[in-house]
Formats: sequence, structure tokens, C-alpha cells
Amino acid sequence: DGGITQSPKYLFRKEGQNVTLSCEQNLNHDAMYWYRQDPGQGLRLIYYSQIVNDFQKGDIAEGYSVSREKKESFPLTVTSAQKNPTAFYLCASSIVRGQGRFYEQYFGPGTRLTVT
Amino acid sequence: AQSVAQPEDQVNVAEGNPLTVKCTYSVSGNPYLFWYVQYPNRGLQFLLKYITGDNLVKGSYGFEAEFNKSQTSFHLKKPSALVSDSALYFCAVRALSSYNTDKLIFGTGTRLQVFP
Repeated sequence: DGGITQSPKYLFRKEGQNVTLSCEQNLNHDAMYWYRQDPGQGLRLIYYSQIVNDFQKGDIAEGYSVSREKKESFPLTVTSAQKNPTAFYLCASSIVRGQGRFYEQYFGPGTRLTVT
Repeated sequence: AQSVAQPEDQVNVAEGNPLTVKCTYSVSGNPYLFWYVQYPNRGLQFLLKYITGDNLVKGSYGFEAEFNKSQTSFHLKKPSALVSDSALYFCAVRALSSYNTDKLIFGTGTRLQVFP
């Protein structure tokens, strides 16, 4: 988990509220990613960003939004439009080796979001 | 379609015995393959990767993986299991996204239980 911090570790919200999850990295990586983990489903990509001020939707972007104003930071907002927001959220980063290619991704410790 | 399959939800092994966690993949072009481990309520830790070259890849904590192109498999192995190896293991393959950048596709995970 070293080099990538996510806060808070646990987050509780009422249905209908937007909530923002923090992700910071000090690895000087260009690319950052947000994944959602649900039991028995592995990890699914929500959003990713290859450079500052640019990001793309992943496989399950509906109900989520992101920003990338700084290289070190990639916050994720879970909006009230996300129908099933309760999940474990993981942030990752990687070196970009030209034209969007990368090798391994490194992950943060995760934030467990519970919405009731 | 690009995909990763981990056919076993759980693998049980006695401490000191060899272990194998299975992974098969489907991807166009040359595969870049990865194994990650996740301990409870933690992020994913990178174990090893196959990019090119030797079919037997050595990684962290005594783990290794064997790439078999004809069987499209990348099984994770360890000669002698430890109780502390008990965790959730994910296989992943690098694939090309619709934006012509890389993304990781994860399997659904295999829970390894090592009994003393």
C-alpha cells in the first residue's frame, strides 16, 4: 500500500447524499485509477486518468464523477445517482510508458463505503 | 472478448504442501499477466508479472507463476504453503481500452486457505 493513501478507511452516508473519496499518491505516477470491489465480482474499473485535467470512463462510470487537478490527487465522488453505492473502493496508480501503456498498477488500502 | 477466469472460488491446502491457484485468460495480442494478493480489508499487493521471456516468473514471498501460451494459462504456485499465505488472490490481464489505452481486467478472485 505504500505511496498511495485513501481516506477515510470507513465511510457511512445516508441514501441521497453525495460523498467524495480521497486518493493521493507520492509515487510520481502519471496514471491513476478507481475500482469498485464487490464480493464475488472481482474489481471493476470506474474511471481512470492518464494525465492531469484528463480522465476517461471505465466500465461502470454511471453515478460517479472524478477530477484530476493535480498529478498527486484523484478524488472520486459517489453521487446519489449511483443505485448501489455500498462497496469497497480501491484507488491505484501506475507509470505510463508511452501512448497509454503501463506495466503493473499499485493500489491504495481502500475505502469501505456503506450507504443506508 | 477479453477476459480472465479463475475457476476456483476457494483453494484449501495444508501448511508445507505445494499450492496452485489457477488462472486462464483470453486477450488479443501478446498477454501481459499479473497476480495480486489481498488481505482482509486491505488494498491489493502486486506479486508478480509476465511480460515476455521466461515462462516461469518468480515474484514476492516465494510465489511463482507459469505462463503457458498454448493453454492460455498463468497459474500461481508456491512449493511450500504457509498459514500466512491465506488471502484472496487475483489474476489480471492487460487489455486495450476503447480509448486505445491500457486497462487491467481482473478475475473474480480465489480465496486461499492454508491449514496448520
